[in-house]
Amino acid sequence: DVKVTQSSRYLVKRTGEKVFLECVQDMDHENMFWYRQDPGLGLRLIYFSYDVKMKEKGDIPEGYSVSREKKERFSLILESASTNQTSMYLCASSLSRVGTGGTGELFFGEGSRLTVL
Amino acid sequence: DQQVKQNSPSLSVQEGRISILNCDYTNSMFDYFLWYKKYPAEGPTFLISISSIKDKNEDGRFTVFLNKSAKHLSLHIVPSQPGDSAVYFCAAFPWGGSEKLVFGKGTKLTVNP
Repeated sequence: DVKVTQSSRYLVKRTGEKVFLECVQDMDHENMFWYRQDPGLGLRLIYFSYDVKMKEKGDIPEGYSVSREKKERFSLILESASTNQTSMYLCASSLSRVGTGGTGELFFGEGSRLTVL
Repeated sequence: DQQVKQNSPSLSVQEGRISILNCDYTNSMFDYFLWYKKYPAEGPTFLISISSIKDKNEDGRFTVFLNKSAKHLSLHIVPSQPGDSAVYFCAAFPWGGSEKLVFGKGTKLTVNP
């Protein structure tokens, strides 16, 4: 089974703190994603990476950055946390749809609930 | 502009009856559709998918129907069980090998015993 592991299930941080959310996948997937989920807004894509050291902005990248130094690890960084970044953060990975015959199905981690005070 | 729409934020159904969750899309350039289920405090899990070249896909109690002319898909759960109570997300891949799923906002299904 594919396993996507997020380092922290629950975090509480103060405004202005730097926050790191770590995600590791064990299935050698090319693609990794960071989403946030908020009530009534569904899943919104923050950043996407299709290869090591490659990244692409999603729909709401402002206030976030990412790092992918190794294929299995994708980190989300909040340089200076703000209260409007209180949310559920979801990491996902997928096999590339191109050239693999795969469906591109996303496999999600269990989520990290971040509260910024 | 939202390309994948789930117009019902919530749905309540009696145990044993059929649950029908609907999803509309505004862009014809989607080639693959998926449904995800999400319980509180957990990540979404893949449920069922359908290619744009098909109009139906079935997996046990779950069936997805695709009506391309109406740009509409639906998820049928028969019979519904209390354990099906969750938020259901419809999602679609754009044509051309895009790796980025476009998600709807979700429908919260409650199955009452």
